[in-house]
Amino acid sequence: AQSVTQLDSHVSVSEGTPVLLRCNYSSSYSPSLFWYVQHPNKGLQLLLKYTSAATLVKGINGFEAEFKKSETSFHLTKPSAHMSDAAEYFCVVSGTGGFKTIFGAGTRLFVKA
Amino acid sequence: ETGVTQTPRHLVMGMTNKKSLKCEQHLGHNAMYWYKQSAKKPLELMFVYNFKEQTENNSVPSRFSPECPNSSHLFLHLHTLQPEDSALYLCASSQVSGMGSYNSPLHFGNGTRLTVT
Repeated sequence: AQSVTQLDSHVSVSEGTPVLLRCNYSSSYSPSLFWYVQHPNKGLQLLLKYTSAATLVKGINGFEAEFKKSETSFHLTKPSAHMSDAAEYFCVVSGTGGFKTIFGAGTRLFVKA
Repeated sequence: ETGVTQTPRHLVMGMTNKKSLKCEQHLGHNAMYWYKQSAKKPLELMFVYNFKEQTENNSVPSRFSPECPNSSHLFLHLHTLQPEDSALYLCASSQVSGMGSYNSPLHFGNGTRLTVT
């Protein structure tokens, strides 16, 4: 069975400071992991994807995530937040053998000027 | 510009109306999805179509009826809805491997904001 937990429903940072959005997963086999971003009144957009090629994955807009198998985590980070990063972020786990894509509940990121 | 187009962007309908949501993908994918996104609730998978065949129906009420005439088009027919069905309905597509793996990223449209009065 698979599951994904986003540890914070809301995160607030100041512009120019680092961003950390936390995600833990559970999977019976090697999962694929994703982060998506959703801006108001928009659909979800892929930020980055992990598929076992490298544990540190770089995405769009300066975001990156590190896969840590021992901690079953896939946290999303960015060195310096920008006002345009304010959005909702979803961690997603997917498996093989049929449709097994699970979305986390989402983390709302607020960026203060 | 998104490769997945949803129309209309906004829809207001009464509980006795019949309406349809349309989704078209221009990415050459072979799988399409309907998701429901309600305020303060997790994203809910409704239906999955793989090569035009419905492979998932996540216990969705029969007042929602999907149709997938080809791998590029997906419809959601709405009939006798309830106010609690008001939500953002998102369509997505992806490429499913020949082994039936759904590990490719989902590509989402911008959604239809549905209000049931």
